[in-house]
Amino acid sequence: DSGVTQTPKHLITATGQRVTLRCSPRSGDLSVYWYQQSLDQGLQFLIQYYNGEERAKGNILERFSAQQFPDLHSELNLSSLELGDSALYFCASSLSTGGTEAFFGQGTRLTVV
Amino acid sequence: GENVEQHPSTLSVQEGDSAVIKCTYSDSASNYFPWYKQELGKRPQLIIDIRSNVGEKKDQRIAVTLNKTAKHFSLHITETQPEDSAVYFCAASESGGGADGLTFGKGTHLIIQP
Repeated sequence: DSGVTQTPKHLITATGQRVTLRCSPRSGDLSVYWYQQSLDQGLQFLIQYYNGEERAKGNILERFSAQQFPDLHSELNLSSLELGDSALYFCASSLSTGGTEAFFGQGTRLTVV
Repeated sequence: GENVEQHPSTLSVQEGDSAVIKCTYSDSASNYFPWYKQELGKRPQLIIDIRSNVGEKKDQRIAVTLNKTAKHFSLHITETQPEDSAVYFCAASESGGGADGLTFGKGTHLIIQP
């Protein structure tokens, strides 16, 4: 157990819908990262928050957004879902910013039908 | 942005032999290079990492080497065991700079043949 908790574990939804994925980082970790894993694109960095503020953006679509709350948990919002958004979404946390070990959660498997 | 290339995509070795996975990166500002192991259906787990001020790091049967000039780094697993079978990802990031997210390679599926 990495100490990073993601909910839900599985999510099935229809095209055009909106979903929210939730992540609770390890106790004491200030950085939260979101990654998307698909068979054709591999593991792709989406976005990072550090102590409540957006720190870095990767290949995140405009239909996707995230935030980190005062208690440091984070949510990833995916809207206007398309079939191609089906993937495994991982959250990771680390003590500070880059250069420290990032611990991954178990992931949320999103299936868009 | 950073681009990480990883080879081979699949590697099959006999149990007890060594396995080597190689990665190259493009951004000279990258200074942190972790390796993750991912078993089927599970989360990626860090197995070893190296920073740009170090050329080599070893942890039991696992070692990582870094050549900053050539911008490549490699994972070496010796005396492979069945439990080493998994997908291995290399990654790079610029710690302390603006973009801290890890850029991953496409992964290497390591198969240990009994």
